[in-house]
Amino acid sequence: GAVVSQHPSWVICKSGTSVKIECRSLDFQATTMFWYRQFPKQSLMLMATSNEGSKATYEQGVEKDKFLINHASLTLSTLTVTSAHPEDSSFYICSASRAASYTEAFFGQGTRLTVV
Amino acid sequence: QQQVKQSPQSLIVQKGGISIINCAYENTAFDYFPWYQQFPGKGPALLIAIRPDVSEKKEGRFTISFNKSAKQFSLHIMDSQPGDSATYFCAASKGSGYSTLTFGKGTMLLVSP
Repeated sequence: GAVVSQHPSWVICKSGTSVKIECRSLDFQATTMFWYRQFPKQSLMLMATSNEGSKATYEQGVEKDKFLINHASLTLSTLTVTSAHPEDSSFYICSASRAASYTEAFFGQGTRLTVV
Repeated sequence: QQQVKQSPQSLIVQKGGISIINCAYENTAFDYFPWYQQFPGKGPALLIAIRPDVSEKKEGRFTISFNKSAKQFSLHIMDSQPGDSATYFCAASKGSGYSTLTFGKGTMLLVSP
């Protein structure tokens, strides 16, 4: 099956610092990767869509200068939370779609970010 | 505007019973309807998915029923087990181009022993 690995699983950082989260497709090439944010007991909120080699498309209300997304290869996308603040604390999840797939998306295990 | 409405918000089922979760959509352009299972602290995992050319799909204890005219689809979990206790999300996407999923709000299922 298709495996998406996200790293780290959890991270604690100080307010004002930046944190990078990696999302890797381990056994397939992902032309498109997605980044979601999930608050406790809520649904997934799409933050941005990234295609390999091009700029990410951000959803309305998501600050692109705060949440930097890089999709440099067909197997790796990164989300950097810049100048993190406590309100950025959340569960961040990535997903990836295969190049030849109709629409199927595979999710990473998520990253719990806590900003103190 | 919520494009995929999911109900109930929470559900308690006895072990061995049938769990039923319903979703309704508004956008007739949707043509791919997956269900995801999420355990606490984990990412969602694809459970089963259906496309509108069939009315039902079954995989083990999990069945999707799809009603195109009513724009509704549901997940049935037969012989529910305590290990099925999780949050379930329905979703929908348009299929062509990249696959942006629109999620329902989720259903917390608790299967009592």
